[in-house]
Amino acid sequence: GQQLNQSPQSMFIQEGEDVSMNCTSSSIFNTWLWYKQDPGEGPVLLIALYKAGELTSNGRLTAQFGITRKDSFLNISASIPSDVGIYFCAGHGVGQGNLIFGKGTKLSVKP
Amino acid sequence: DSGVTQTPKHLITATGQRVTLRCSPRSGDLSVYWYQQSLDQGLQFLIQYYNGEERAKGNILERFSAQQFPDLHSELNLSSLELGDSALYFCASSVATGAMGIQETQYFGPGTRLLVL
Repeated sequence: GQQLNQSPQSMFIQEGEDVSMNCTSSSIFNTWLWYKQDPGEGPVLLIALYKAGELTSNGRLTAQFGITRKDSFLNISASIPSDVGIYFCAGHGVGQGNLIFGKGTKLSVKP
Repeated sequence: DSGVTQTPKHLITATGQRVTLRCSPRSGDLSVYWYQQSLDQGLQFLIQYYNGEERAKGNILERFSAQQFPDLHSELNLSSLELGDSALYFCASSVATGAMGIQETQYFGPGTRLLVL
């Protein structure tokens, strides 16, 4: 089945640094979504992308839908301690109603 | 707050038992999705319902079943529970299904943490 490769698996950064993570697929995706999950909580939608090439920002977060429709990245600028959590990419493959998730990027921010 | 509610928040039970998890979607959403999240498996799609009918099946065991009621709330039934069924179970909802774009964006509930002893 379709799979998403998300990297890096984990990141340890200093407060104030910028962060970048990405997701790739071997097949075309119609949507890309980025979620953040805090321990014991449900994933919270950060950014949704619906068109190839689309670049969308949400505060300090910026995400792009790759032109090939096989990848997406999420950038976080000027990280703060509350950015700590697990970030998941997810997407709908062509003809797929259910979301496919990446395995997540665990972000740790040192004050 | 995503607008998706799930009950109970925590559930502790014994092997061999049966439990029911409940989900209420966001107002106006017709699709409900169930996911299982365990430490080593990440988020695994189980099943989707759209307006009362099963729409898609993922990695759902035969011991598990779900339904969506006329008021659009959904229940996930887990029976003959095993230790390995201990996990977080999430419900998500979206406006529609089968179409591309914004109507497919899924919003997650806070989850039910199931512990099987």
